[in-house]
Amino acid sequence: AQSVTQLGSHVSVSEGALVLLRCNYSSSVPPYLFWYVQYPNQGLQLLLKYTTGATLVKGINGFEAEFKKSETSFHLTKPSAHMSDAAEYFCAVSPGYSSASKIIFGSGTRLSIRP
Amino acid sequence: NAGVTQTPKFRVLKTGQSMTLLCAQDMNHEYMYWYRQDPGMGLRLIHYSVGEGTTAKGEVPDGYNVSRLKKQNFLLGLESAAPSQTSVYFCASQTGQVVVYGYTFGSGTRLTVV
Repeated sequence: AQSVTQLGSHVSVSEGALVLLRCNYSSSVPPYLFWYVQYPNQGLQLLLKYTTGATLVKGINGFEAEFKKSETSFHLTKPSAHMSDAAEYFCAVSPGYSSASKIIFGSGTRLSIRP
Repeated sequence: NAGVTQTPKFRVLKTGQSMTLLCAQDMNHEYMYWYRQDPGMGLRLIHYSVGEGTTAKGEVPDGYNVSRLKKQNFLLGLESAAPSQTSVYFCASQTGQVVVYGYTFGSGTRLTVV
């Protein structure tokens, strides 16, 4: 079975500072991993994903995440926060043995940006 | 624009009333899902469908029913609404290749049961 734990339900950083959102997963098979972003009053949008190959994946809006199998982690980072990054971020996992598998979502981390 | 459309966007129900939420997608996706989102609990899967005419239970199916009579539509029904069903409901769809595209989400339906 797969599960996702997001450390910190709320993260606040200053504009221009590093953004680090933590995600750990549990999976009995090689996982597919995702980060989604939800802006206020909107649905979720895919930010980036890891399937196979390069462990450092780049997404939209300057975000990137690194798959670390030994640490079962998939943390999301951005070097310099922008006010427009304020949103809720969801880490998610899907079993890698099936391309049609359901995605399991974490509980989300709300990112606030201080001017 | 292609995508997932949810109607209505907002609704207030009285306890015991019934309603149907409609999800429509125009991307010819096989798989469709209904989630509810509650503060601090992320997204929880209610029901899903892997194709026209098929449905299956997710993590929190009690109090809900679904139907997928047409490939493009996935309906979520509440037969007798309860205050515990106050939530934001999201519909999502995917092709059979989640690894390529992930899910496409609708913009949500905010339901309040009083």
